[in-house]
Parts: sequence; structure tokens; C-alpha cells
Amino acid sequence: DAGVTQSPTHLIKTRGQQVTLRCSPKSGHDTVSWYQQALGQGPQFIFQYYEEEERQRGNFPDRFSGHQFPNYSSELNVNALLLGDSALYLCASSPDRGRGGELFFGEGSRLTVL
Amino acid sequence: GQQLNQSPQSMFIQEGEDVSMNCTSSSIFNTWLWYKQDPGEGPVLLIALYKAGELTSNGRLTAQFGITRKDSFLNISASIPSDVGIYFCAAWDGSSNTGKLIFGQGTTLQVKP
Repeated sequence: DAGVTQSPTHLIKTRGQQVTLRCSPKSGHDTVSWYQQALGQGPQFIFQYYEEEERQRGNFPDRFSGHQFPNYSSELNVNALLLGDSALYLCASSPDRGRGGELFFGEGSRLTVL
Repeated sequence: GQQLNQSPQSMFIQEGEDVSMNCTSSSIFNTWLWYKQDPGEGPVLLIALYKAGELTSNGRLTAQFGITRKDSFLNISASIPSDVGIYFCAAWDGSSNTGKLIFGQGTTLQVKP
């Protein structure tokens, strides 16, 4: 049973560019949440997708957007990259009727902005 | 906004010792969780707590949901080298969105064989 898979694992971009990160949830899960983890910090909630719609959003600017596909996979897009966007981006999945907070995380996509 | 204060920030202990870490907040939460993150990996859920005062064990790990619903602690007994990693407390405020967690800053644990 595959867990949460994310791609790419590492990438380097320059300021002003755009990036797309991808996530496939654990089998049987229909809800995908995205988190940003800066070096030495705990993860911070970006947003969650359910039924192909953004259901809730954390304190992140509109440069951060996402999408969920009918097969429950998801993408995170970041436009106009800033140096401060350098971080590990984690995708987490859960069943919609699961117990609050019980998330399954992928290994993350490490983004470096130069 | 909601914030979790986790302590200590780091610990360096001898194999076989017990470890204790805690997490506090000025806000009330409905669920407290403890995750562990190994280098190059995503966080993995260790223990979830759903009721104030609840004490739950998972092998050598024991965690408690504070009676005020504003804190939680995690104990690890008889530490072993594979306990090395970063431990995060996390909390959920009970809103309809089950995926939005608040995380602490993490406790980095190093175990000397």
C-alpha cells in the first residue's frame, strides 16, 4: 500500500520564477493538506483540498495556489518566488471523516530559491 | 494567532535514559498529537490524544493531554539510538477542517550509545 508520494524531491529555482509541486495521497484518502516547513521550524499549514476545492487556507499570500484532481492527487503552485519561499513543502493526506489531526505525510519537496 | 511553545529545544542524552518534553499554549485545543520527523522524511504520527486528562502509551512512549486542554507532554522511557530525531507537538482546535494543525517548533533529540 503506497503512502503519500511527492515530486520532485528537490528543486532549485530563481527569484521570480514559478514552481509546481505534486502529491498523490495515501490509498483511500480523499483530503490533501499542504504545509511549509522552514529550516529549524515546525510545519505551517498552507491550505487543504477536498472534493477538488480549497476548503481552508492558512496565512499565506495568493501567490500560493493549488488544485485537486478527480483522483484526489493535488498540486501546489507558487508564483513570483521569493528567497523566503525556500523550504520543505509537505503534503499530508487523510480521510475526510478521519479523526482530527491524524495526517499521513509525504517525504516532502525541498525547494531552494536563489 | 494560535501558537505552541515546545520545550526543550534540544536534548542530548545517554542511551537508556528517560526523556520528557512538553508543549504549552494560551489557546484551548480539542486534540493534541505528537509527531516524529527523521532527516529527509516527513513527520510520522506517534500518539494522538482526544480527551482532557487522557494518558496514552505507545510502546516506550507515553503522552498526556493536559486537563486545561492547553498543554501536553511526551515521555520516552529507556531511550535507544533509533529514538534520534525531531519531535513535534501538534494541536487541532476542533474546527470543521480536520487537516489544519498547529505545530510546535520541535525538540531535537540526540542519543549517545
